[in-house]
Amino acid sequence: ELKVEQNPLFLSMQEGKNYTIYCNYSTTSDRLYWYRQDPGKSLESLFVLLSNGAVKQEGRLMASLDTKARLSTLHITAAVHDLSATYFCAGGGGTSYGKLTFGQGTILTVHP
Amino acid sequence: DADVTQTPRNRITKTGKRIMLECSQTKGHDRMYWYRQDPGLGLRLIYYSFDVKDINKGEISDGYSVSRQAQAKFSLSLESAIPNQTALYFCATSDSEGSTGGRGNEQFFGPGTRLTVL
Repeated sequence: ELKVEQNPLFLSMQEGKNYTIYCNYSTTSDRLYWYRQDPGKSLESLFVLLSNGAVKQEGRLMASLDTKARLSTLHITAAVHDLSATYFCAGGGGTSYGKLTFGQGTILTVHP
Repeated sequence: DADVTQTPRNRITKTGKRIMLECSQTKGHDRMYWYRQDPGLGLRLIYYSFDVKDINKGEISDGYSVSRQAQAKFSLSLESAIPNQTALYFCATSDSEGSTGGRGNEQFFGPGTRLTVL
């Protein structure tokens, strides 16, 4: 059974700083997804990582996948307030027959 | 128009009542899912359906049932609601494997239903 753990669970950042959210998973997962959730809102897909070594970037966010280490990272560059949200990683799909297992979520707050 | 819609958006009910949450999608996806979200626990899968004739239990199906009325509609029922079913419920959809244009099994979420059981 796939288990997904994120850390940190809470992250308070200053604007302009860099930081990384880590997503570890317990068994083989051939793909990894990152979602964003604003308070009281739904989940928005950010990145889909489908192979070892995959790297995707969108604005100040960059996600990567290392299937050998069973690790995905979400790197935040020069944080701005608009990035404040909860970020989830999820593993599965593929050999998990389409099911996703979500991490607990990382609540990111960016302050001046 | 939203691709994935859920009704109702908010519902307050009493212990023992039967509740149905509905999900509709216009994305043309075959696969549909129901999740619940609790603070600090992320999202947990309740049921999923890969087509109209395929229904599967997820991680936390006890106390819930589902119905896939059509490709575009997937309903979640609580036969006898209890307070620990108070949560935020999300419906999601995805395309079938091999037909996603390289996006794997990316899931698209509805706006959620906030359910409170008193």
